[in-house]
Amino acid sequence: DGGITQSPKYLFRKEGQNVTLSCEQNLNHDAMYWYRQDPGQGLRLIYYSQIVNDFQKGDIAEGYSVSREKKESFPLTVTSAQKNPTAFYLCASSTTRTGLAGGPLAKNIQYFGAGTRLSVL
Amino acid sequence: GIQVEQSPPDLILQEGANSTLRCNFSDSVNNLQWFHQNPWGQLINLFYIPSGTKQNGRLSATTVATERYSLLYISSSQTTDSGVYFCAVSIGAGNNRKLIWGLGTSLAVNP
Repeated sequence: DGGITQSPKYLFRKEGQNVTLSCEQNLNHDAMYWYRQDPGQGLRLIYYSQIVNDFQKGDIAEGYSVSREKKESFPLTVTSAQKNPTAFYLCASSTTRTGLAGGPLAKNIQYFGAGTRLSVL
Repeated sequence: GIQVEQSPPDLILQEGANSTLRCNFSDSVNNLQWFHQNPWGQLINLFYIPSGTKQNGRLSATTVATERYSLLYISSSQTTDSGVYFCAVSIGAGNNRKLIWGLGTSLAVNP
């Protein structure tokens, strides 16, 4: 099945600890995104990457880091500098190429993983 | 930066009722998308609609780009329609292309 897989589903972080959230996609999408969602709020962009080995800061990048060494993978590290990490984290991907409308290759439509809920112990 | 405003923020419907959700945006955009987030957090794209009208079953959407708004229509609502509906607009180009999100409309459909 083609899709986006986020793991783990639930994650607990201790004070001063770095944790890494995994995001893998097999849709052959070029672009990948990380969002943070707090209760009752919309999505805020943390980092995004349009091509391998390149990524851009979003609106709330402080305290987070990413890498994009492979097209399929875009892991997010929540560092100890992020003082309020408790949130729901969503990964998405999209293609920048024209494809069949409505299908997984439809240009610029973002497809989401099931999310990771991060809490602080 | 660009502002995306959704209304109403909350909506309660009886099963079978119709509703209209609105999304206003403050500047020109590349495109607009509507998403549904179910109570378990999964986000699904409903429509990719930079302009015009599209229909998919009981849902339809209309975007009037020149007047900077989009409407999502839900007809004959069902309890499975419950969740949060988000509007997101695309800005930027090339490697700087990204989505700007509204705060959502939280919909509860009662049986």
